[in-house]
Amino acid sequence: DSGVTQTPKHLITATGQRVTLRCSPRSGDLSVYWYQQSLDQGLQFLIHYYNGEERAKGNILERFSAQQFPDLHSELNLSSLELGDSALYFCASSTGTLSQETQYFGPGTRLLVL
Amino acid sequence: AQSVTQLDSHVSVSEGTPVLLRCNYSSSYSPSLFWYVQHPNKGLQLLLKYTSAATLVKGINGFEAEFKKSETSFHLTKPSAHMSDAAEYFCVGGSGGSYIPTFGRGTSLIVHP
Repeated sequence: DSGVTQTPKHLITATGQRVTLRCSPRSGDLSVYWYQQSLDQGLQFLIHYYNGEERAKGNILERFSAQQFPDLHSELNLSSLELGDSALYFCASSTGTLSQETQYFGPGTRLLVL
Repeated sequence: AQSVTQLDSHVSVSEGTPVLLRCNYSSSYSPSLFWYVQHPNKGLQLLLKYTSAATLVKGINGFEAEFKKSETSFHLTKPSAHMSDAAEYFCVGGSGGSYIPTFGRGTSLIVHP
């Protein structure tokens, strides 16, 4: 158990809908990273937050947004969903901001868009 | 710029035989390098991490990796494969110049009885 929790575990929704994925980092970790994993794209970095502030953006679509709250949990919002958004979404946490630090991954949320 | 290349998308071994998963990197800075394992429908778990303290790094479950600067490699090895080692393995690079780690495409390890 990494100490990172994600809810829900599974999500099934329809095209055009909006969903929110939630992540709670390990106790004491200030950084949260979001990733998307699909068969065709592999593991893609989406966005990084540190202590409530956005620090880096990756291949995140404009339909997607995220935030990190004062209690350090983070939410990833996916809107106007398309079939191609079906994927496994992971969050990871680390103590600081640098890519040299170990990241601890949650179990993921599997999203299926029908 | 940093890049991480996993040279094999699939590696197939028999139980009890050695495992070699290959990873090459390029980095403008002295890198940190990681190997993570992902079992089916699970999150990624850290196997081991290199941070320049020692070139041979020992990880969990009998895995180890050696950092070779001259070859820009960080290959993952295990002397004897177990059925439970069947999983996806990711080589990841981080450097002081970036907030974002660089992931390899992953290597699927298949272990035959």
